Amino acid sequence: QLVLTQSPSASASLGASVKLTCTLSSGHSSNDIAWHQQQPEKGPRFLMKINSDGIFRKGDGIPDRFSGSSSGAERYLTISGLQSEDEADYYCQTWGSGIHVFGGGTQLTVL
Amino acid sequence: QVQLVQSRAEVKKPGASVKVSCKASGYRFTNYGISWVRQAPGQGFEWMGWISGKNGNTNYAENFQGRFTMTTDTFTSTAYLDLRSLRSDDTAVYYCARDLSGYDWAPDAFDIWGQGTMVTVSS
Repeated sequence: QLVLTQSPSASASLGASVKLTCTLSSGHSSNDIAWHQQQPEKGPRFLMKINSDGIFRKGDGIPDRFSGSSSGAERYLTISGLQSEDEADYYCQTWGSGIHVFGGGTQLTVL
Repeated sequence: QVQLVQSRAEVKKPGASVKVSCKASGYRFTNYGISWVRQAPGQGFEWMGWISGKNGNTNYAENFQGRFTMTTDTFTSTAYLDLRSLRSDDTAVYYCARDLSGYDWAPDAFDIWGQGTMVTVSS
């Protein structure tokens, strides 16, 4: 079964870096995923797509301080130089077997 | 500017129907598919299904077969989601999203999202 697992919450200080993790279920470790940001009371925004080699392609206008990487079944989103507007929910998405699947989301708090 | 603009919020009684629209601009509508995604209050995302912008072919998620119908109008570059026999647990924000893959069913990332349409079902 295709499942994505994310930690429910994360926090980091203003100006620091944070690395969010999305884990693919067994048998799906080669899947590409996408990261989306949802700021409070707003719709989602596509951040990037990442493959199993850690190669990522960002959406238009996404700042350089957002980057992606991979290791095995894990896909990462790293945000450097945290700003207050980065406080949001971050969701990963993958697809396969005729369906799309989302992780439960990570709520990022910028301290 | 590539964007998807959705219709306004709706309030409906149980058993009623509602039609949510999603108008595309800034790209060739027929080159891509559109997925619909539901987000219940305080919850995560649930994929509902996909429709081709070119030929109207559809693929529904198992949990959304029956009361939900997706259609398109290529002349106005608009996708529609029909929800029938509404229940209180249909209360949610409904999003449309462009699928990167193209007009054939070959799932890929969602790269453009609409702003969402809140549907409230209450007596």
